[in-house]
Amino acid sequence: LAKTTQPISMDSYEGQEVNITCSHNNIATNDYITWYQQFPSQGPRFIIQGYKTKVTNEVASLFIPADRKSSTLSLPRVSLSDTAVYYCLVGDYNTGGFKTIFGAGTRLFVKA
Amino acid sequence: EAGVAQSPRYKIIEKRQSVAFWCNPISGHATLYWYQQILGQGPKLLIQFQNNGVVDDSQLPKDRFSAERLKGVDSTLKIQPAKLEDSAVYLCASSFSSLPGQGPEQFFGPGTRLTVL
Repeated sequence: LAKTTQPISMDSYEGQEVNITCSHNNIATNDYITWYQQFPSQGPRFIIQGYKTKVTNEVASLFIPADRKSSTLSLPRVSLSDTAVYYCLVGDYNTGGFKTIFGAGTRLFVKA
Repeated sequence: EAGVAQSPRYKIIEKRQSVAFWCNPISGHATLYWYQQILGQGPKLLIQFQNNGVVDDSQLPKDRFSAERLKGVDSTLKIQPAKLEDSAVYLCASSFSSLPGQGPEQFFGPGTRLTVL
């Protein structure tokens, strides 16, 4: 399973766009890249998943370059409620289900 | 759609005592995961079930931890005996696992916060 490297923490202000980059140099061909968000005293919550190029949903965009050795989660116009820990994971589905590893995550602080 | 249910939400025990946690996944989800999350760290996978079979338990301390999912639905994680370092939040997650080749979304429960004194 590929390990991921993310910044430990980031600060931002309300209304700004936040980009969190994750490095996964040993990503395998069948691996997908997934991002989760975790608030204090709650379990992680799925944000977005992608394999290559760009994926966008109602809350975020995920940019994956051609070599797939890194990815960037983009949060448009953050608010105070986006203060959380963000985890980047890589993993694949096999006959036993989805296998992945959570790293330490990036603590995002959004200020007023 | 009901989410992943876990109980109890909080548990305080003395070291060397036993404790059990219960998880009921989302209906129809074949894959169930138990994670341990120590304060300030990311979740660490303890065991993964596909239906009622174990897929991965490589990080489960088998001398003291055990887990079962007898009918392929709900699951129980047990610690016997507990140590101080077992103080953590124990998270249960489930996923549908219906699409080979695509990592499916995991849905997490609220967790059980265990304090070992």
